Amino acid sequence: GQQLNQSPQSMFIQEGEDVSMNCTSSSIFNTWLWYKQDPGEGPVLLIALYKAGELTSNGRLTAQFGITRKDSFLNISASIPSDVGIYFCAGQLTGNQFYFGTGTSLTVIP
Amino acid sequence: SQTIHQWPATLVQPVGSPLSLECTVEGTSNPNLYWYRQAAGRGLQLLFYSIGIGQISSEVPQNLSASRPQDRQFILSSKKLLLSDSGFYLCAWSVTGALYGYTFGSGTRLTVV
Repeated sequence: GQQLNQSPQSMFIQEGEDVSMNCTSSSIFNTWLWYKQDPGEGPVLLIALYKAGELTSNGRLTAQFGITRKDSFLNISASIPSDVGIYFCAGQLTGNQFYFGTGTSLTVIP
Repeated sequence: SQTIHQWPATLVQPVGSPLSLECTVEGTSNPNLYWYRQAAGRGLQLLFYSIGIGQISSEVPQNLSASRPQDRQFILSSKKLLLSDSGFYLCAWSVTGALYGYTFGSGTRLTVV
């Protein structure tokens, strides 16, 4: 299957700081998604990106579909304790299947 | 609106015992259905997916099997559990083509003892 590499693997930040994470692949994707998973729950969709270069925001979250279509980025501004969780990227080539990244674990220190 | 239900939420089973996890989707028809496993709270491993009744694709050969007896029902099974089957199991659904991504259930925490 396709491999999506997320970095960093984990982050420990102070409340109020901004967060940046990214996802890269050797393949060109048509769609990029970003999910957040709270502890003990299923992942929830945060942002969907459908065009190269697209920049989309959802509250304090902003994600970008890389120009090369091989990467995507997620930024969180002014982090708060409820931002804690695992963030996953997911890319779609064609058809029904999305490939998920390895996840970035975020810890926010109050 | 569409909802996905997954049960049980937690399960503790002895090695060698059978397993049956159920997932149902409401509010849509002919969904694509998926089973994922997540070990140690990290990456998502696709186990099975289905595009229709009785149509199952396996991504990883293992001790598990899946069935889709009805359009909106997806079952994950095992005849004899192994310790290595422990993990967090997630069911998900999407529309055909998965244009809007996947919607996940709340998961089942399986501990094999």
